[in-house]
Amino acid sequence: DAGVIQSPRHEVTEMGQEVTLRCKPISGHNSLFWYRQTMMRGLELLIYFNNNVPIDDSGMPEDRFSAKMPNASFSTLKIQPSEPRDSAVYFCASSLTGGSQPQHFGDGTRLSIL
Amino acid sequence: TQLLEQSPQFLSIQEGENLTVYCNSSSVFSSLQWYRQEPGEGPVLLVTVVTGGEVKKLKRLTFQFGDARKDSSLHITAAQPGDTGLYLCAGQVGNQFYFGTGTSLTVIP
Repeated sequence: DAGVIQSPRHEVTEMGQEVTLRCKPISGHNSLFWYRQTMMRGLELLIYFNNNVPIDDSGMPEDRFSAKMPNASFSTLKIQPSEPRDSAVYFCASSLTGGSQPQHFGDGTRLSIL
Repeated sequence: TQLLEQSPQFLSIQEGENLTVYCNSSSVFSSLQWYRQEPGEGPVLLVTVVTGGEVKKLKRLTFQFGDARKDSSLHITAAQPGDTGLYLCAGQVGNQFYFGTGTSLTVIP
């Protein structure tokens, strides 16, 4: 059974460019989470969806970040325009049980903004 | 300020040694989870504890939830190089879920 699939695994781009991160949750899971991990701040929740509806987006840093979940099998996290301080590893996770606890994480996208 | 503080932050031990890492908070959690994260991968859920005083074992790993549900510990017996990784505790308060600061464990062969 496939786990949570994220793409790309690595992204290097110049500041000011638009960045789109993609996630395919585990089939049948009804909650999807986007997290950001840095050495300084650890794992931070950006946003999570239940049944494709955003439930808590209080962790989204600012208007430059947006997330969508157009259907149960796909989500995107977009940064526009990107800044060097956005450099981090971005994780997508999904859960079968609903609520705010992530059960299965993808392997992340390592984002570097130059 | 982190809701969940883990200690130690870094730990390096020899293969075969025992170790304990801690997860502390001033908040009461309805449930608490432990994850292990290896380099280049996402965290993997190891265990969930929900009852104060609960002890769960996973092979050489023993997890305990504090009686007051504010803290937890993870004890590893006879550590092996395969135990190397970042250990994260996480807990639920109301409908919010928080991750701890992590303990980075290195087991030297």
